Amino acid sequence: SYVLTQPPSVSVAPGKTARITCAGNNIGSKSVHWYQQRPGQAPALVVFYDTDRPSGIPERFSGSNTGNTATLTISRVEAGDEADYYCQVWDITSDSLYVFGTGTKVTVL
Amino acid sequence: EVQLLESGGGLVQPGGSLRLSCAASGFTFSSSLMGWVRQAPGKGLEYVSSFGHTVINTYYAGSVKGRFTISRDNSQNTLYLQMNSLRAEDTAVYFCAKVERTNGGDYFFDFWGQGTLVTVSS
Repeated sequence: SYVLTQPPSVSVAPGKTARITCAGNNIGSKSVHWYQQRPGQAPALVVFYDTDRPSGIPERFSGSNTGNTATLTISRVEAGDEADYYCQVWDITSDSLYVFGTGTKVTVL
Repeated sequence: EVQLLESGGGLVQPGGSLRLSCAASGFTFSSSLMGWVRQAPGKGLEYVSSFGHTVINTYYAGSVKGRFTISRDNSQNTLYLQMNSLRAEDTAVYFCAKVERTNGGDYFFDFWGQGTLVTVSS
């Protein structure tokens, strides 16, 4: 089964840049999608197809994917960005078609 | 505006059954793929079930295969999840989500409901 590994936590000061990694075997050959889950809320899509943003998501959120690591970058971090972030790929060979990463808690200092 | 509203959660004993519903609006439900994702207390997201390449094919995570059944009523714009033989480890918030397909032919969840809590305990 395909495994996606994320760091448990990332801390960042307001106005700085947060980078959240998602490691998987040859993940660069797959499309990676990212979700934000604020405390007590449902997940929300912030990046899809590696680099695209849904309508309403600020340009501060960007994604990249190459080799064995995909990255979600949050520029000019704001207090409202404090949340859990999950990466996801679709893998037809996995027991779970939709594979989620382990999740990263972003704390704004 | 896309809206997904889950209902049907609650407390159930181990071995019991429960049916979750998800009322959808704001998009063409009948031609949309849909799925369920759950989140155990304090844990991460876990895929449960979904409709596949078409609105006919269904898929399940190994942990629920044979116990859970996904279905839909397009006339009512409603998605269902029938859960049988429930176990303590099925305790979670269950989210209904709309599935979108990328140009590259893979899938992700573009809209999510607020979730409904299922607690399996004696």
